[in-house]
Amino acid sequence: AQSVTQLDSQVPVFEEAPVELRCNYSSSVSVYLFWYVQYPNQGLQLLLKYLSGSTLVESINGFEAEFNKSQTSFHLRKPSVHISDTAEYFCAVKGGSEKLVFGKGTKLTVNP
Amino acid sequence: DTGVSQDPRHKITKRGQNVTFRCDPISEHNRLYWYRQTLGQGPEFLTYFQNEAQLEKSRLLSDRFSAERPKGSFSTLEIQRTEQGDSAMYLCASTLAGGSYNEQFFGPGTRLTVL
Repeated sequence: AQSVTQLDSQVPVFEEAPVELRCNYSSSVSVYLFWYVQYPNQGLQLLLKYLSGSTLVESINGFEAEFNKSQTSFHLRKPSVHISDTAEYFCAVKGGSEKLVFGKGTKLTVNP
Repeated sequence: DTGVSQDPRHKITKRGQNVTFRCDPISEHNRLYWYRQTLGQGPEFLTYFQNEAQLEKSRLLSDRFSAERPKGSFSTLEIQRTEQGDSAMYLCASTLAGGSYNEQFFGPGTRLTVL
């Protein structure tokens, strides 16, 4: 069985500041790792994924996440956030079955 | 719009009533998933179908819940004798199975409120 822990339920930051959203996972099998974003009144959208290969993965809108196997982490970072990044972010794992296992989510609020 | 669609988007019902939700996946997607998201939690897996076959069910899916995908296209999720604890967002996702990774595309969800 897998589990995901998102350590921060809410993260407020100012515009153009850097941000890190933390995610740790537990699994007895190899996993794929994902970050999903949910904007207000919208469905979940895949932000980025780690399947294999390079441990650093990037999204088209400037987010990146690094898979750290020894620390079982997959933290999400962005060097400079925008107001439009305000959303809820979910870390998820998939391993051994077809289902995604999600964390509880982190609400990122970017203030002007 | 060719994404996953769900109907209705919102449903308010009284305790004890039955409700049914519909999900239309992306056409040609052969796998369809149902998740439930309660306030302050991430989505939790309920069940999934490959074509019309229901291949996995979570223990969260009590006897009051039933899901179908009769023709391998759209799916319905029915909750009988609703309880206040059933209040949640019900999410549907679909994917085209094959290869080492199958990205799940999510619909906007159906928000259920049980009074």
